Amino acid sequence: LAKTTQPISMDSYEGQEVNITCSHNNIATNDYITWYQQFPSQGPRFIIQGYKTKVTNEVASLFIPADRKSSTLSLPRVSLSDTAVYYCLVGASNTGKLIFGQGTTLQVKP
Amino acid sequence: NAGVMQNPRHLVRRRGQEARLRCSPMKGHSHVYWYRQLPEEGLKFMVYLQKENIIDESGMPKERFSAEFPKEGPSILRIQQVVRGDSAAYFCASSTDTYGYTFGSGTRLTVV
Repeated sequence: LAKTTQPISMDSYEGQEVNITCSHNNIATNDYITWYQQFPSQGPRFIIQGYKTKVTNEVASLFIPADRKSSTLSLPRVSLSDTAVYYCLVGASNTGKLIFGQGTTLQVKP
Repeated sequence: NAGVMQNPRHLVRRRGQEARLRCSPMKGHSHVYWYRQLPEEGLKFMVYLQKENIIDESGMPKERFSAEFPKEGPSILRIQQVVRGDSAAYFCASSTDTYGYTFGSGTRLTVV
């Protein structure tokens, strides 16, 4: 399972776009990139998953360059309720264990 | 369709007692996972089960911890003779063979 590196914390203000970048230099050919969000006292919640280029859903966008050694989660126009920990994970399967790093603690300020 | 249900949400045990944490997976999910989260840390994998089978227990402490997922009923994570260091949030997740990795809201264990 590829190791991921992401910033420990980020601050933003309401209405701004937030980009969180994750490095995964040893990503394997079969690996997907998945992002989870965790609020205090809750379990992680799936946000978005991608393999290459760009993926967009109603919550976020995921940008993956051609070499796939990094990825960027983009949250458009954040609100206070987006304050949470964001985890980047890399893996080939939707079963089996997930390896969580420290995650990025995003603090959105008024 | 209810999500992954964990109970109790909060559990207080005295040192030396047993803790039993329950997890009911989402309907149609046959894979169950347990994770532990210490304060201010990320989630750590503990064990992966399918019905009546332990698939991967590489994250389980060698002593006092056990897990099961019987043919009928919820998955159980059992901690015997709890110590203060067992105080943590324990999360359960479930999935199908190919999709739907979903987490429950967790059980917060406090050992006093």
